[in-house]
Amino acid sequence: EVQLVESGGGLVQPGRSLRLSCAASGFTFDDYAMHWVRQAPGKGLEWVSTITWNSINIAYADSVKGRFTISRDNAKNSLYLQMNSLRPEDTALYFCAKAKSIKAVAGVPLDYWGQGTLVIVSS
Amino acid sequence: SYVLTQPPSVSVAPGKTARITCEGNNIGGKSVHWYQQEPGQAPVLVIYYDGDRPSGIPERFSASNSGNTATLTIGRVEAGDEADYYCQVWDSRSDHWVFGGGTKLTVL
Repeated sequence: EVQLVESGGGLVQPGRSLRLSCAASGFTFDDYAMHWVRQAPGKGLEWVSTITWNSINIAYADSVKGRFTISRDNAKNSLYLQMNSLRPEDTALYFCAKAKSIKAVAGVPLDYWGQGTLVIVSS
Repeated sequence: SYVLTQPPSVSVAPGKTARITCEGNNIGGKSVHWYQQEPGQAPVLVIYYDGDRPSGIPERFSASNSGNTATLTIGRVEAGDEADYYCQVWDSRSDHWVFGGGTKLTVL
């Protein structure tokens, strides 16, 4: 059974940093691209970042580029999101999600999602 | 940047057909994926590559995509279909994923 479990969220002051983690199990982690998607309270889904299976291709939403860094450790079946210079508008539930197809580079749907970890940026 | 526009809400009576649209410039030239999100839950993929259904998704869920509009169709709507629905495309020009704003489906 595929499982994605996010952690690392919490309350943080504006300008500070936070590192999110996503522990994956139930599939061959290093075969799949992974994603971070966020959802502000009461709002819609917003794509944040994507990393391919081999970490060669990485993409970021304009709203986080230069502040957030996605990475993965295939030996630990883990995905990360380093969030720096946090802003109040980064307040959201952060989901990690798995790409549907093996070794895909782009355009592949997200077939499994975690339950999310909540980040609140406030003074 | 590429923009996807969905109606904020759609209402339908039980047993009827619900249609949720997703508009984007020449969206027919892109592959569209659809997600269902029930309150307090993670999104679930219900349609991918314009019309394929993951295992476990009822045949009542179907989709089409042409011109500037993609449409998710839910036949014989049930109370359990009440949820938010999001369309999604990959914009190869910007290397960005794009989500529509979401549509809240209400079963009357």
